Amino acid sequence: ETGVTQTPRHLVMGMTNKKSLKCEQHLGHNAMYWYKQSAKKPLELMFVYNFKEQTENNSVPSRFSPECPNSSHLFLHLHTLQPEDSALYLCASSQAGEGNQPQHFGDGTRLSIL
Amino acid sequence: GDSVTQMEGPVTLSEEAFLTINCTYTATGYPSLFWYVQYPGEGLQLLLKATKADDKGSNKGFEATYRKETTSFQLEKGSVQVSDSAVYFCALNLNSGNTPLVFGKGTRLSVIA
Repeated sequence: ETGVTQTPRHLVMGMTNKKSLKCEQHLGHNAMYWYKQSAKKPLELMFVYNFKEQTENNSVPSRFSPECPNSSHLFLHLHTLQPEDSALYLCASSQAGEGNQPQHFGDGTRLSIL
Repeated sequence: GDSVTQMEGPVTLSEEAFLTINCTYTATGYPSLFWYVQYPGEGLQLLLKATKADDKGSNKGFEATYRKETTSFQLEKGSVQVSDSAVYFCALNLNSGNTPLVFGKGTRLSVIA
């Protein structure tokens, strides 16, 4: 049983749709992350939240909008996406401030843009 | 900046063969090192870790030793199984605060019966 749960597992949407990805962690961690994993490309860090505050935004287009209402929940709001945004979106959490702690990942949302 | 370099895949082995996946790192401080595994259709799972030089991490028959002199963290397994087919990621984390993990590009392993 994973301590990080992502929903939905699969999402197909048109370029004009608006949808949201959800991530919930049950590990008591204080940091959460969004990653994008595309075929044949390295894992890309998108956003980092520490104690609900965004601490990193790796030049992600504004059509991706993160939200972290509390340290257990993380959302990624999507609007007017492009076909190249089709990918596996992974959420992770960790206990920030303790440098040797690993990140724990969810199983991801497989996103397909029509 | 900090970085992790892994051997390019894919790696294809027969069942019961010996596995070696190379990983070298560049870091300004004293990092902790990790190996993650990603099975088809799943997220990344922590496989093992080592937090200081000469530490050996081990799990499920896999081992890796933190070699500071060669800045390496080579993953090994003595006898692979078909169920070990997955993508393996090497990663580092500086022990100095809230920086996220730095990942390598991943190495795909296919084990055939």
